[in-house]
Amino acid sequence: GAGVSQSPRYKVAKRGQDVALRCDPISGHVSLFWYQQALGQGPEFLTYFQNEAQLDKSGLPSDRFFAERPEGSVSTLKIQRTQQEDSAVYLCASSNYRGAYNEQFFGPGTRLTVL
Amino acid sequence: AQSVTQLGSHVSVSEGALVLLRCNYSSSVPPYLFWYVQYPNQGLQLLLKYTSAATLVKGINGFEAEFKKSETSFHLTKPSAHMSDAAEYFCAVSKNSGGGADGLTFGKGTHLIIQP
Repeated sequence: GAGVSQSPRYKVAKRGQDVALRCDPISGHVSLFWYQQALGQGPEFLTYFQNEAQLDKSGLPSDRFFAERPEGSVSTLKIQRTQQEDSAVYLCASSNYRGAYNEQFFGPGTRLTVL
Repeated sequence: AQSVTQLGSHVSVSEGALVLLRCNYSSSVPPYLFWYVQYPNQGLQLLLKYTSAATLVKGINGFEAEFKKSETSFHLTKPSAHMSDAAEYFCAVSKNSGGGADGLTFGKGTHLIIQP
């Protein structure tokens, strides 16, 4: 079946612009995660949804970052007034959590470059 | 909070040789531990996971890892390297106490180079 998809795959923004990154999880997956991966680093947790509820947003680096999943399926990560330090690959993952730890399936990521 | 440390940002081995990628974790509770592989321009793929069922965990592509509580380690091994194993490898631990859906804390990664 289809995996996690993300769009766009590449995004170039001028400093100060707002961007929106989309994640389509695997159909039926309850849990959805966003991670930020800077060049040469491991992914860093940003936020977690269970259905439409955002249960953990402790990793969001500033109030310029906002994520939503209004219908419990597709999620959007929005970054307002982008800065150069926001340049990174943004990874989305989904999981079919049913009371025990399950594998997170990752999308290919969106590479954001802020000029 | 949980954390992982991967020793060696780059590891080079000859084709057919043993692969050993090191990971040490820090956790105040029994952790859930994972190894992921990332090929260029692709998402992360789970190689294997430890969830306390067995200390020796077998994964895909011939990889395995052993959980050693006394050493707080979860090293990844493969008996015989193949050219297709060249990739970036990440060790990860569940962000909180483990169990249930949980964000992951990743190490910085180890780039595995396979020499022909």
